[in-house]
Amino acid sequence: GQNIDQPTEMTATEGAIVQINCTYQTSGFNGLFWYQQHAGEAPTFLSYNVLDGLEEKGRFSSFLSRSKGYSYLLLKELQMKDSASYLCAVRDSNYQLIWGAGTKLIIKP
Amino acid sequence: IAGITQAPTSQILAAGRRMTLRCTQDMRHNAMYWYRQDLGLGLRLIHYSNTAGTTGKGEVPDGYSVSRANTDDFPLTLASAVPSQTSVYFCASSDGGPTDTQYFGPGTRLTVL
Repeated sequence: GQNIDQPTEMTATEGAIVQINCTYQTSGFNGLFWYQQHAGEAPTFLSYNVLDGLEEKGRFSSFLSRSKGYSYLLLKELQMKDSASYLCAVRDSNYQLIWGAGTKLIIKP
Repeated sequence: IAGITQAPTSQILAAGRRMTLRCTQDMRHNAMYWYRQDLGLGLRLIHYSNTAGTTGKGEVPDGYSVSRANTDDFPLTLASAVPSQTSVYFCASSDGGPTDTQYFGPGTRLTVL
């Protein structure tokens, strides 16, 4: 079967750095996505990785290791508005997205 | 219209009733998708359409049907609603570019009693 694993919940402090991990086992790999979802809202696109390495986009960075089936999302200089769920998704061999259950990130002042 | 719109925003429905969730996009994206999101689970694909006139089944298609008469609209129909279809439903479309990123509508919160 196909599986995406993420921690259910994480807590971090405003101004700090947090790393959200995602491990995957899928039939094929055609890219990995990270989305942000605030409570009661739609998921919004954050980042995309298809090759190994780090992609940086402002305060957010995403890393991929295809050989390890592993990715992480790194959030720097945390702000209260970063309190949200972060969803990891992998595009499989059928070109469909397989989604993790999401990591709820709680930011404390 | 800018992006993807969904209607209704929320709905309470009696079991056994028929219901159509509407989705419209103005981005001229070829591909569109319907997902359901339940607490503790990842988004699950119900149906998809790669282009107008074609549809396909996702992971959880039973009890749902879709049509794609044109590029902009992708309605989802529950022929006879059951309580297990209580969920938040998201419509999405993808841009077909190098990353083929999916963009989501605001969602419909459906409760079946």
